[in-house]
Amino acid sequence: GENVEQHPSTLSVQEGDSAVIKCTYSDSASNYFPWYKQELGKRPQLIIDIRSNVGEKKDQRIAVTLNKTAKHFSLHITETQPEDSAVYFCAAPSGGGADGLTFGKGTHLIIQP
Amino acid sequence: EAGVAQSPRYKIIEKRQSVAFWCNPISGHATLYWYQQILGQGPKLLIQFQNNGVVDDSQLPKDRFSAERLKGVDSTLKIQPAKLEDSAVYLCASSSHLGTGGYIQYFGAGTRLSVL
Repeated sequence: GENVEQHPSTLSVQEGDSAVIKCTYSDSASNYFPWYKQELGKRPQLIIDIRSNVGEKKDQRIAVTLNKTAKHFSLHITETQPEDSAVYFCAAPSGGGADGLTFGKGTHLIIQP
Repeated sequence: EAGVAQSPRYKIIEKRQSVAFWCNPISGHATLYWYQQILGQGPKLLIQFQNNGVVDDSQLPKDRFSAERLKGVDSTLKIQPAKLEDSAVYLCASSSHLGTGGYIQYFGAGTRLSVL
């Protein structure tokens, strides 16, 4: 099955600076990579996703890059704001013909005022 | 559109007791998932349904966990008997497409289970 590694586990940045979270995956057949944001006590919510036929996708201050050769993908948040503080999870399909997700362990992003 | 509905929101039981969780997916969504999220970790897939058939239950502890999806709509997840390590948030998610290829999964608010 798929194995997803996520780093760092905690990231503290000054408001207005950029934040980068990195993930690696093991299954070269994986073709879909979503990122979820989870605020304390709330449900995970999709913030951006990328499919294996593109190398980069951007949505306002958020971007995701994918390197299929190296089997890693990254989340980039620019001009960080206090409301960006949350736990972020990367994920990839678990494999075996199904599309349930294998999640990373999460990154706690802290935006310092 | 209405989101994924789950109940109850919270449940406290003693070890060796039984518990059941209910999920109603977004209308028209063929695929339903149950995840277990232990505090401080990412969600872990337990089971995936496509309509009322099981697609993947490889990580479901079948000696104590069971799940069904009646008529391809609502689903229930049961634990019998519960252990201390089952304390977690149980998340239900649904997506609109059949098969593989990666489609957006929408999560419910979850049921927080505490086993004492």
